[in-house]
Parts: sequence; C-alpha cells; structure tokens
Amino acid sequence: RKEVEQDPGPFNVPEGATVAFNCTYSNSASQSFFWYRQDCRKEPKLLMSVYSSGNEDGRFTAQLNRASQYISLLIRDSKLSDSATYLCVAVTDSWGKLQFGAGTQVVVTP
Amino acid sequence: NAGVTQTPKFQVLKTGQSMTLQCAQDMNHEYMSWYRQDPGMGLRLIHYSVGAGITDQGEVPNGYNVSRSTTEDFPLRLLSAAPSQTSVYFCASTGTTTYEQYFGPGTRLTVT
Repeated sequence: RKEVEQDPGPFNVPEGATVAFNCTYSNSASQSFFWYRQDCRKEPKLLMSVYSSGNEDGRFTAQLNRASQYISLLIRDSKLSDSATYLCVAVTDSWGKLQFGAGTQVVVTP
Repeated sequence: NAGVTQTPKFQVLKTGQSMTLQCAQDMNHEYMSWYRQDPGMGLRLIHYSVGAGITDQGEVPNGYNVSRSTTEDFPLRLLSAAPSQTSVYFCASTGTTTYEQYFGPGTRLTVT
C-alpha cells in the first residue's frame, strides 16, 4: 500500500464551480501536510500547507482529518488556470522526508 | 533570489554514457533531494541529503550516485546511462523547520 494515495481523476469542473478531493495517508505519525500544484511538464509548486485547524488561501481551502487520516482540498469559483495536477504530501520523518501522492488531475472547462 | 537551479534543462545520452546533473540552492537549506518523474507517475525519491557530507538512498537509487560537499550544491551522477533512466529529474531543497519543499525546474533526460 502506498503511504499517500490520491484519486487520479480527472475531475472535470465547469468554470465557476466548486471541486473537492481527498488524499489519504497511512502513517499516523505524519506531522505536516502540504498541497502542491504541478502543471504539465513543470516542477511542482507549493500551493499551501495544511494545518490541523484547516486553512484557507483565497479560493482554496485545505482540511486535515487525523482520525480518518485524510486531507482535503477544495477549490471554489474554479478558473481555467486552476487546471493542473494537485499533489498531496505528508512529512513522514524527522528529517523532513516527504511522501508524495501520485496526484489528482483537475480540468476546468469553459 | 534564484531558489533552486538545475542544469542542464535537456540532455540526450547514449546508453553507457555517464553524466552529472547539477543542482544548487541559495536558501541555505540543509535538506536536499533528487526525484525522478515518469509519464503518468508520481515523484520517486532517488537520493537525499540532510546536510553537507551526509547522503542517503531513497526509493530508486540504483544507477545513481550523489555527493554533498557544500550546503548549496547537490549533484546527481548517472554512472552508465540506460534507457530506463529516461525521465524528468527534479532537485528540491527543504526548509528545516517548515518542511516546505522547493523544486528546481527539472532536467529532461533521454537515453537512447
């Protein structure tokens, strides 16, 4: 079983709609979590950290559910430019080793 | 602030050739990593370093060597290139306290 699992999608979303997707992690000792965005053939870029209390950055909201061991990302008022692959990341040990999920593809359509 | 830089951006090798992928960061991060990403697949950790002089193997280390003589530089060496090493290679450095990881732009390697 992979340490971080994501639904690969694609999630096809009309422009202006809301989309949400989850990521599950297997290591209950994971302390830090992130969402990254990756555009086709580009490097992953940090989108946001995920805090225990949840956090919001503009149209993006991330939540952490430790009891069920998943994190979520919600995108409101989707823009065409939100089309990308979203990578879920869990920090699994003290040196900062990151476990990446394989990504969820989001396609926003006009 | 350049962040993480990688060279070259593109490279074509013949089977059996060796080469070094360069990576440098100017954020004074202790942790650095090398990943490869194949089409439709996630990032796979090749090697990582927790500081100058300290390196360790990741998930897919075979066929690659690394060294870390300075905090800034973390080169990845392909010993004898094979077609299975055709991939996109990303170098990353990680903030020591935040664990936020920053990636270089990648090197697209083709081995024929």
